[in-house]
Amino acid sequence: DTGVSQNPRHKITKRGQNVTFRCDPISEHNRLYWYRQTLGQGPEFLTYFQNEAQLEKSRLLSDRFSAERPKGSFSTLEIQRTEQGDSAMYLCASSSGQGSTDTQYFGPGTRLTVL
Amino acid sequence: AQTVTQSQPEMSVQEAETVTLSCTYDTSESDYYLFWYKQPPSRQMILVIRQEAYKQQNATENRFSVNFQKAAKSFSLKISDSQLGDAAMYFCASQGGSEKLVFGKGTKLTVNP
Repeated sequence: DTGVSQNPRHKITKRGQNVTFRCDPISEHNRLYWYRQTLGQGPEFLTYFQNEAQLEKSRLLSDRFSAERPKGSFSTLEIQRTEQGDSAMYLCASSSGQGSTDTQYFGPGTRLTVL
Repeated sequence: AQTVTQSQPEMSVQEAETVTLSCTYDTSESDYYLFWYKQPPSRQMILVIRQEAYKQQNATENRFSVNFQKAAKSFSLKISDSQLGDAAMYFCASQGGSEKLVFGKGTKLTVNP
């Protein structure tokens, strides 16, 4: 169990560019979640997957954002036509999806800076 | 909709002393869970403690314990024998009716030697 990993850890981009982040969950975890955390705030839910199915999306996830989990393992989050307001830490979490103690384990995050 | 409120943006405690972080929440769900997560500077978020709302007994994990007051919708975290490594942002979160976590804005805890 190597924990949740995210790449890249930092991304600096210019406004209008597209960016893609990757999340590798804990092995055999069925559920994968994306959150966004801005400075001085707690994380806000974006979306989550049960295996490869995207089951819930926040209204925060505008049409410029898309997330995939094609084989039920790793996931990608793409932001098209980035805006300065997209600057934030993007956190990924995973959970087993089983039992009553379904704890979400977080990765280190990808810090996005849009210039 | 669920909301979580942490009214203490910052707290400080002397090493070896006890500190309590406050959290209130609101939910219409009858079945829900409450969590405290710790986020050290530049490090990832880790679970400190969780409480199932249907359990009356307060959860305890070593030096960490909660005071869960269901009627008052209050969920405070007590850290006993504070250590320098406890310094971090602490986030209260709820989960109910959905798999997503709803977080408060956090409390920054400073531990003074």
